[in-house]
Amino acid sequence: NAGVTQTPKFQVLKTGQSMTLQCAQDMNHEYMSWYRQDPGMGLRLIHYSVGAGITDQGEVPNGYNVSRSTTEDFPLRLLSAAPSQTSVYFCASRETGMSYGYTFGSGTRLTVV
Amino acid sequence: AQKVTQAQTEISVVEKEDVTLDCVYETRDTTYYLFWYKQPPSGELVFLIRRNSFDEQNEISGRYSWNFQKSTSSFNFTITASQVVDSAVYFCALSEAWYGGATNKLIFGTGTLLAVQP
Repeated sequence: NAGVTQTPKFQVLKTGQSMTLQCAQDMNHEYMSWYRQDPGMGLRLIHYSVGAGITDQGEVPNGYNVSRSTTEDFPLRLLSAAPSQTSVYFCASRETGMSYGYTFGSGTRLTVV
Repeated sequence: AQKVTQAQTEISVVEKEDVTLDCVYETRDTTYYLFWYKQPPSGELVFLIRRNSFDEQNEISGRYSWNFQKSTSSFNFTITASQVVDSAVYFCALSEAWYGGATNKLIFGTGTLLAVQP
């Protein structure tokens, strides 16, 4: 019963490098999303998915790609990292239905130098 | 468009004081959900409460209480007799109704940093 698992917890990248932040949930949730958290900005939605094969952009999608090939996984890709992408990234999921809340992962702290 | 405003960037209180964190929201939906999350220094997001737009009853949970007023589009959070362990960033958030076809997006405010001094 792991909930939402994010890996890695910490990462340092050089400008221009690519990487994938992993997010996996074992609760069969249809909805998954990625947020970034920056000082004074709160959490801003990057991309979200309402089910396998369906993704859409959030508030700050530029520089990030996502795909949703399975219900369990929702990876976030940085194709060419920039210092402006230094942030803490959170993945969240939710089961479809009226009575359920959002479950958040523990976050990935990314530094781009 | 949906928006959540937490005008208080930082609040500092002395232990045992009561403190209220303000949250004002904007939405055109008639059905929506409001949330409060706590983010302690360790960084994880801790769910505190969810309230739907049809339930304006105030809620109390121990030292925590929430005041939901649709007339002023506010969902304020009060901590009674604050403790050092309450020191954290608190986020208010808004989601549209969770019916079929809805995007289920959760929109956050910018957060309020609460520092409780011993």
